[in-house]
Amino acid sequence: EAQVTQNPRYLITVTGKKLTVTCSQNMNHEYMSWYRQDPGLGLRQIYYSMNVEVTDKGDVPEGYKVSRKEKRNFPLILESPSPNQTSLYFCASSPGTGHSSYEQYFGPGTRLTVT
Amino acid sequence: AQSVTQPDIHITVSEGASLELRCNYSYGATPYLFWYVQSPGQGLQLLLKYFSGDTLVQGIKGFEAEFKRSQSSFNLRKPSVHWSDAAEYFCAVTNNAGNMLTFGGGTRLMVKP
Repeated sequence: EAQVTQNPRYLITVTGKKLTVTCSQNMNHEYMSWYRQDPGLGLRQIYYSMNVEVTDKGDVPEGYKVSRKEKRNFPLILESPSPNQTSLYFCASSPGTGHSSYEQYFGPGTRLTVT
Repeated sequence: AQSVTQPDIHITVSEGASLELRCNYSYGATPYLFWYVQSPGQGLQLLLKYFSGDTLVQGIKGFEAEFKRSQSSFNLRKPSVHWSDAAEYFCAVTNNAGNMLTFGGGTRLMVKP
């Protein structure tokens, strides 16, 4: 089944403790992206990657890191989480070439709480 | 910079009634527009998309949307709402490179029996 998977789905952590949220897609998509969802703000893009070893900042990149060493994986790293990073996080992917391929497929989400 | 506004945060309709969810966008060139739905506790599912051509686009679950360039709008419609349509709906626009997807704040739809 074609899908985007995220792990963990739920995470409670403390301020300053480094964490990684994994994202993997099995559709051979070139483009991957991370979003955070907060009430009333919709989804805001954190980082995106057009291909392996190519990453770029979205609208809200502060406090986050990403890497794209393999085409299928795009982990989100919080080096020193803070309470304002408590949010619902979504990973997405798309084929990435040609405008008809701009449709993004979303993972199930990771709910992160930082205390 | 591109942006999307969904003026209605909450909408309540009766089952069987018609529905229109508003979306206004700001983008300098021809926009690529999407509507996504998020059921409680779920991820996002694409309802429909507009890239070019016919300004009235059909989507899944009986939804349609009309692109009106003069009004910078892309409103979502359904002629008869079902209880299972209760969810949050997001309008989004992407740039021509397809790498920056900007969402509106969402509209939460409640359906009365």
